[in-house]
Amino acid sequence: DAGVIQSPRHEVTEMGQEVTLRCKPISGHNSLFWYRQTMMRGLELLIYFNNNVPIDDSGMPEDRFSAKMPNASFSTLKIQPSEPRDSAVYFCASTEGAGDYGYTFGSGTRLTVV
Amino acid sequence: AQSVTQLGSHVSVSEGALVLLRCNYSSSVPPYLFWYVQYPNQGLQLLLKYTTGATLVKGINGFEAEFKKSETSFHLTKPSAHMSDAAEYFCAVSDRSSASKIIFGSGTRLSIRP
Repeated sequence: DAGVIQSPRHEVTEMGQEVTLRCKPISGHNSLFWYRQTMMRGLELLIYFNNNVPIDDSGMPEDRFSAKMPNASFSTLKIQPSEPRDSAVYFCASTEGAGDYGYTFGSGTRLTVV
Repeated sequence: AQSVTQLGSHVSVSEGALVLLRCNYSSSVPPYLFWYVQYPNQGLQLLLKYTTGATLVKGINGFEAEFKKSETSFHLTKPSAHMSDAAEYFCAVSDRSSASKIIFGSGTRLSIRP
């Protein structure tokens, strides 16, 4: 298995533009997580899905952020409009079972909003 | 709700010396516990985990951790540090009732002196 695949690896965009981050989880994993990592705030859980259904989106910072999982093999995280404070590394992770397997993380998308 | 506290945001040891990274957790139920490692510009990688059974667990790269319920701790150790161990290490806890949601600590950056 190729692991969790995220695209793009790097994204530079101007303030106000829409940004879409993509994630393909490991086949057979039933839970998917989106995290944001910054120096100031560390790793923050934004939202997670179980069997394609959003379970907890309490970490989504504001309405500018939205996430979807239309099927078991694809998820997107969208920021519209983007702001400089959204600059961070965004990670996607997936797992199977009830949490005892741990997560497999993607390599992340480094987002820079100028 | 569960939480994780990592003592020391930065630990520096000499090559060949003992590595000890401290982690204390809070959980209302017996937890699942994890250690992850993050190398520069990469995602997090699972080092080891405790779910049930033997309280001393061994992971990759010679690391091990011991679950001590009475101390609510899950410290990570390695007998002899190697230069390649330099990375960020994250302790994490999962409340078994939270449908696979994992809470991460703030991380400890490990530096190795030649």
